[in-house]
Amino acid sequence: QVQLVESGGGVVQPGRSLRLSCAASGFTFSSYGMHWVRQAPGKGLEWVAVIWYDGSNKYYADSVKGRFTISRDNSKNTLYLQMNSLRAEDTAVYYCARDLWELSREYSSPFYYWGQGTLVTVSS
Amino acid sequence: EIVLTQSPGTLSLSPGERATLSCRASQSVSSSYLAWYQQKPGQAPRLLIYGASSRATGIPDRFSGSGSGTDFTLTISRLEPEDFAVYYCQQYGSSPSTFGPGTKVDIK
Repeated sequence: QVQLVESGGGVVQPGRSLRLSCAASGFTFSSYGMHWVRQAPGKGLEWVAVIWYDGSNKYYADSVKGRFTISRDNSKNTLYLQMNSLRAEDTAVYYCARDLWELSREYSSPFYYWGQGTLVTVSS
Repeated sequence: EIVLTQSPGTLSLSPGERATLSCRASQSVSSSYLAWYQQKPGQAPRLLIYGASSRATGIPDRFSGSGSGTDFTLTISRLEPEDFAVYYCQQYGSSPSTFGPGTKVDIK
């Protein structure tokens, strides 16, 4: 069965960096676009970034553009989110999510498969 | 960016009743690329509907979606105890993908 397992969250000071990982299993990772979606405590959902199945394109929300970098290692079935210059407003649960359809070259997708999320807290 | 507005903010109903949730977009959602999710506390969202009206795998037929353009509706025909949760709409036809603020369906 499809599994997405995030890791790397924690408490970090403003201005510092953190890297999240998402280990995927149960499907052909290299055939699916992958996304990060976040949810601030008690708030709604915010799409953060996407990377196409082959890594050829990446898109970001304006709120993280220039500070966050999405990447993937298809040989390790792992998705990453490098987060630099962190701000208090980046505090959230970060979910990785998979494109619904394989080999998609779209900006986004509905998300059937989600990880359990990893909490990032930016605080001094 | 397409802004999604959901109404009502909270819907208080009893089990067995019908729930009608609205999602309105600030501009037309291309190709009806509109999805609905259910989220319970401490859990990841669960995809219910995509393409405005297609049920995701494993979703009971008491959930249905309709609409096009800027106005979309999620209907739960008869509320079961496990349906009390927060519901979000998402448009994925334009970049960036955006979510609505959510409608909480709670027990009356």
